[in-house]
Amino acid sequence: DVKVTQSSRYLVKRTGEKVFLECVQDMDHENMFWYRQDPGLGLRLIYFSYDVKMKEKGDIPEGYSVSREKKERFSLILESASTNQTSMYLCASSFGQGSFRVEAFFGQGTRLTVV
Amino acid sequence: AQTVTQSQPEMSVQEAETVTLSCTYDTSENNYYLFWYKQPPSRQMILVIRQEAYKQQNATENRFSVNFQKAAKSFSLKISDSQLGDTAMYFCAFTNGGATNKLIFGTGTLLAVQP
Repeated sequence: DVKVTQSSRYLVKRTGEKVFLECVQDMDHENMFWYRQDPGLGLRLIYFSYDVKMKEKGDIPEGYSVSREKKERFSLILESASTNQTSMYLCASSFGQGSFRVEAFFGQGTRLTVV
Repeated sequence: AQTVTQSQPEMSVQEAETVTLSCTYDTSENNYYLFWYKQPPSRQMILVIRQEAYKQQNATENRFSVNFQKAAKSFSLKISDSQLGDTAMYFCAFTNGGATNKLIFGTGTLLAVQP
């Protein structure tokens, strides 16, 4: 089975802190994604990566950055956490172009609270 | 830009009955994939069913089936013989299966199955 693992289920951070959310997948997927989930807004894409060291902005990249130094790991970084970044963060991964298996697999989510 | 719309924020169904969740999307692509994902209260997002746009036949997975209307850009999910374990948030999602397989989500429908 595909496994996508997020490093924390719950995090509480202070305003202004630098926050790292880690995600690891074990299926050799090319693509990895970070989404933010808020009630009534669904899942909004923050950043995605289609290869090591490659990244592209999603719909709401402001206040976030990402790092993908190894294929299996994709990190989301909040440079200076703010209260409006309190949310559920979901990591996902999928095979790349040319694969028949285009569906994404998700981690369990990280509930981040910024106080 | 592609968009996915779910117009039913919440729905309720009695156990053993049938319920249909609606989804519409907008794209100029001819080849793409559509999905329904389920997120139970425990939060792990899992794939329920997928549909390839080039296939005319509607996808079916046990009690779950879709009504895919390509010309109308409609993709509804039918759950037959509803069970208490079907209580969850359901998300409709779209990807063009291109270089990044970026998934675009709707805002979700919260389904409550009543005993």
